[in-house]
Amino acid sequence: DGGITQSPKYLFRKEGQNVTLSCEQNLNHDAMYWYRQDPGQGLRLIYYSQIVNDFQKGDIAEGYSVSREKKESFPLTVTSAQKNPTAFYLCASSIRDPRTGAGELFFGEGSRLTVL
Amino acid sequence: LAKTTQPISMDSYEGQEVNITCSHNNIATNDYITWYQQFPSQGPRFIIQGYKTKVTNEVASLFIPADRKSSTLSLPRVSLSDTAVYYCLVWQLTFGSGTQLTVLP
Repeated sequence: DGGITQSPKYLFRKEGQNVTLSCEQNLNHDAMYWYRQDPGQGLRLIYYSQIVNDFQKGDIAEGYSVSREKKESFPLTVTSAQKNPTAFYLCASSIRDPRTGAGELFFGEGSRLTVL
Repeated sequence: LAKTTQPISMDSYEGQEVNITCSHNNIATNDYITWYQQFPSQGPRFIIQGYKTKVTNEVASLFIPADRKSSTLSLPRVSLSDTAVYYCLVWQLTFGSGTQLTVLP
């Protein structure tokens, strides 16, 4: 079935360590996104990519990095520079230009990162 | 970026119609209005999208007035399983805080 796969579902990290969250889609979508969600809060955009080898910072990009070497994959690295990395991370993709808002976002099931 | 304003929470009873209104005063000419539903520890799911007037699908209706500065999501005959957070987006990338809908028996 087509969809978005995020892994791992749960991840624990020690302070000072970098960690990479995987996001893979087989929907043939051009655009992909990473969001962060804290308890009781809405989703905040970290990075998005409209095409391979190109990506833009979202509202809270500091302490994060991404790459888009393949259309299907958009991994997110949470670096040690991220002050409060404990959160629920959601990856999404869409077929349309994110600047117009047309089309829908398809989300993965999320990755929950806990920093010990 | 366009910003949305929604009620923080709403309560309803099973079988009732629920209307959630979203304010988006700064909506741009090309912006679509999209609503998502999110259950705890899951990714949001698309409910409905519209540009103007009224849109209806098998689960909801979306009402958009002529000035497009607000929109109303209508859920007919809600059930307990509709308890969730509902988000209104007027630009693909920007989520607000959402509305926690609680359906009571």
